[in-house]
Amino acid sequence: GENVEQHPSTLSVQEGDSAVIKCTYSDSASNYFPWYKQELGKGPQLIIDIRSNVGEKKDQRIAVTLNKTAKHFSLHITETQPEDSAVYFCAALNRAGSYQLTFGKGTKLSVIP
Amino acid sequence: DGGITQSPKYLFRKEGQNVTLSCEQNLNHDAMYWYRQDPGQGLRLIYYSQIVNDFQKGDIAEGYSVSREKKESFPLTVTSAQKNPTAFYLCASSIGGQGPYEQYFGPGTRLTVT
Repeated sequence: GENVEQHPSTLSVQEGDSAVIKCTYSDSASNYFPWYKQELGKGPQLIIDIRSNVGEKKDQRIAVTLNKTAKHFSLHITETQPEDSAVYFCAALNRAGSYQLTFGKGTKLSVIP
Repeated sequence: DGGITQSPKYLFRKEGQNVTLSCEQNLNHDAMYWYRQDPGQGLRLIYYSQIVNDFQKGDIAEGYSVSREKKESFPLTVTSAQKNPTAFYLCASSIGGQGPYEQYFGPGTRLTVT
């Protein structure tokens, strides 16, 4: 089955700096890669996603890049703000299988004012 | 408002008791999912259902059971056979079928078994 590795597990940045979180996946058949933000005690919220026919996608201060050859994808947050502090999860979906999402273990991002 | 509701937010049970967690959605989604989250861990899939009256085991189904009698509802029962039931449980839904694939999550239920 699919395996998703996420790094780093914790990340601290100064307000205004950029943050980058990286994930690798094992199954080359995976074709959908969402990123979720989870605040303490709440359910995850989808913040951006990318499909395998696209190399990069941006939404304001958030961007995701995908390298299918290397089987890795990254989340980039620019001009970080204290409200970006949360746990971020990457995931991969293998459409050839059962439409199951496999999640990374998460990155706790702290933005220091 | 459209969304996914889970109740209760906090649930306490004694060891040996079965407990049922509620999940309701009014998004008209065909597919629904149950995940378990432990501290420092990603989300692990317990069960999922692509359509009413059908469901499939996920990666960690042992000790859990589900039903899908209505499109809007996908309750999860944590049985006494589940060895480590204390966790944060998340329900999600998606359109299903050929996509799009976005899964939307409820607010979660924190279950504590002592």
